[in-house]
Amino acid sequence: ELKVEQNPLFLSMQEGKNYTIYCNYSTTSDRLYWYRQDPGKSLESLFVLLSNGAVKQEGRLMASLDTKARLSTLHITAAVHDLSATYFCAVARGNFGNEKLTFGTGTRLTIIP
Amino acid sequence: DSGVTQTPKHLITATGQRVTLRCSPRSGDLSVYWYQQSLDQGLQFLIQYYNGEERAKGNILERFSAQQFPDLHSELNLSSLELGDSALYFCASSADRGLNGELFFGEGSRLTVL
Repeated sequence: ELKVEQNPLFLSMQEGKNYTIYCNYSTTSDRLYWYRQDPGKSLESLFVLLSNGAVKQEGRLMASLDTKARLSTLHITAAVHDLSATYFCAVARGNFGNEKLTFGTGTRLTIIP
Repeated sequence: DSGVTQTPKHLITATGQRVTLRCSPRSGDLSVYWYQQSLDQGLQFLIQYYNGEERAKGNILERFSAQQFPDLHSELNLSSLELGDSALYFCASSADRGLNGELFFGEGSRLTVL
């Protein structure tokens, strides 16, 4: 059974600081997704990582994937309050068209002014 | 706006009742996925339909059922409701055309069972 673990579960950081969220998964996969969720809202797709060594950046967020280590990271640079949300990684098994994603527990990020 | 539409947004009902949640996927998407999000279980995959056919099943209870209609909208039926069924139910769709497998989620239906 595929297990996806994120850490930390909760993260409180000051504006302007850098930090990294980690996502480990238990079985082989080369497809990993990052989502953002604001309280009570939908999940917004942030990054799609489809191969070993993939790196994607959008604004102050950068995601990477190491399929050999079964690890993805979401790095936050110079955090701002707008980034406060819960971040989920999700791992896909199987072929395209069968996106039975297994989600991590989520990391609740709070940016303090 | 992801383009995935879910109704109702909120629903309050009593134990033992039955409810139906509705989802319209993004235009052109053939796959529909249902997920349940609760505080204790996190985000759990329930079921996937592709062009009207069930394609994958996850942790879906026997009291729950789903279907996808010819116009590609989907319904999730929850019956004999229990307190523990209170959760946010998400529908998602994907392009399913050999692209990147990205799922697009609706706003969710929040179910409260009293």
